[in-house]
Amino acid sequence: QQQVKQSPQSLIVQKGGISIINCAYENTAFDYFPWYQQFPGKGPALLIAIRPDVSEKKEGRFTISFNKSAKQFSLHIMDSQPGDSATYFCAAMKDSSYKLIFGSGTRLLVRP
Amino acid sequence: DAGVIQSPRHEVTEMGQEVTLRCKPISGHNSLFWYRQTMMRGLELLIYFNNNVPIDDSGMPEDRFSAKMPNASFSTLKIQPSEPRDSAVYFCASSRQAKNIQYFGAGTRLSVL
Repeated sequence: QQQVKQSPQSLIVQKGGISIINCAYENTAFDYFPWYQQFPGKGPALLIAIRPDVSEKKEGRFTISFNKSAKQFSLHIMDSQPGDSATYFCAAMKDSSYKLIFGSGTRLLVRP
Repeated sequence: DAGVIQSPRHEVTEMGQEVTLRCKPISGHNSLFWYRQTMMRGLELLIYFNNNVPIDDSGMPEDRFSAKMPNASFSTLKIQPSEPRDSAVYFCASSRQAKNIQYFGAGTRLSVL
């Protein structure tokens, strides 16, 4: 019940395309859902986050869509750029907690 | 701010040796986390400190692993003795409070031969 399942494991997108990464969770007590971006040789960095009181959050080219009833959330990267090539992790946390539960990661490659 | 600083960036050691990884959190942050990242298990929380006190060490894999935080600006993760299966990237992260944004260091890539 603590798991966060992420798919796909890897993704190749052409420049200008839309990248979509999906995550699903079981624990309904989770109420904070961040996405982290990790470049090779670097630590994960917070990209965007959402709470379940909204169904969508957009920051520039990055959008989180949240479906509370389905217990699913996804990251959409519009107009994908080669500089977006990185590993993306979804995560979930109970607001009362400190523990981030990470998905397994998606390696995104954006071809020029 | 310089961010979370970890050292060394790379460590290669032989099985049985002691390994010490170091972390300097962001100034003013009172929560510190140690994670391990592997291909098989992804990102796992090893231990969490709040105000220099270990709160949750349930993720520490074995007694061979220990962590300390002697003051607000320094933490260590020690593996003694090290084994090849300990090879991984170890990250330190800090946050202003436990449930705030966690800022990760660049990690230490450990290879145990």
